[in-house]
Amino acid sequence: GESVGLHLPTLSVQEGDNSIINCAYSNSASDYFIWYKQESGKGPQFIIDIRSNMDKRQGQRVTVLLNKTVKHLSLQIAATQPGDSAVYFCAENSGGSNYKLTFGKGTLLTVNP
Amino acid sequence: GAGVSQSPSNKVTEKGKDVELRCDPISGHTALYWYRQSLGQGLEFLIYFQGNSAPDKSGLPSDRFSAERTGGSVSTLTIQRTQQEDSAVYLCASSFTRGGEQFFGPGTRLTVL
Repeated sequence: GESVGLHLPTLSVQEGDNSIINCAYSNSASDYFIWYKQESGKGPQFIIDIRSNMDKRQGQRVTVLLNKTVKHLSLQIAATQPGDSAVYFCAENSGGSNYKLTFGKGTLLTVNP
Repeated sequence: GAGVSQSPSNKVTEKGKDVELRCDPISGHTALYWYRQSLGQGLEFLIYFQGNSAPDKSGLPSDRFSAERTGGSVSTLTIQRTQQEDSAVYLCASSFTRGGEQFFGPGTRLTVL
């Protein structure tokens, strides 16, 4: 998982396995969370988001889980593919019209064929 | 264009020189953001523009940093008297509305020798 202040965590999985990337957020007032994927040499790309009135949201091959009690967010990727190899960031803000996102340091996911 | 573009993609400069980084947001997006990403770190908010409102400069690290957005479209981030600690990837993002999904450009990698 990732947390501010640590070196970039890494996760290595085999192609086809499920991946779980974790994020500990800091602000208990945050009510909107986003996962971004950043491939080498590119800007971050939106994957999925979730608001604090939900504890789970599913997308295509991805699921985000939110545990507000322990301020924990996770991203699950099903049937991980080599194209999923990237750095994954979680971001938080207080939602609504608030524009400021606070990003975690990221987790490097490597998918081995 | 279809996405946010930034130029140059790479910039190498000598300590003490000034640099200008350019961002072309997605057409029609009223909000524009600049972030800095140091090696192995998450994104650090720098500045935010929304329409004709005064920008939020609260993330600029020093008075050597400034940014402008002309005509509500193109933005330029200027770093004066560059220092080695300014070396990073500078990312620009735009969103259709304040607080809306942010679309990122590929970034400009700045290296200060």
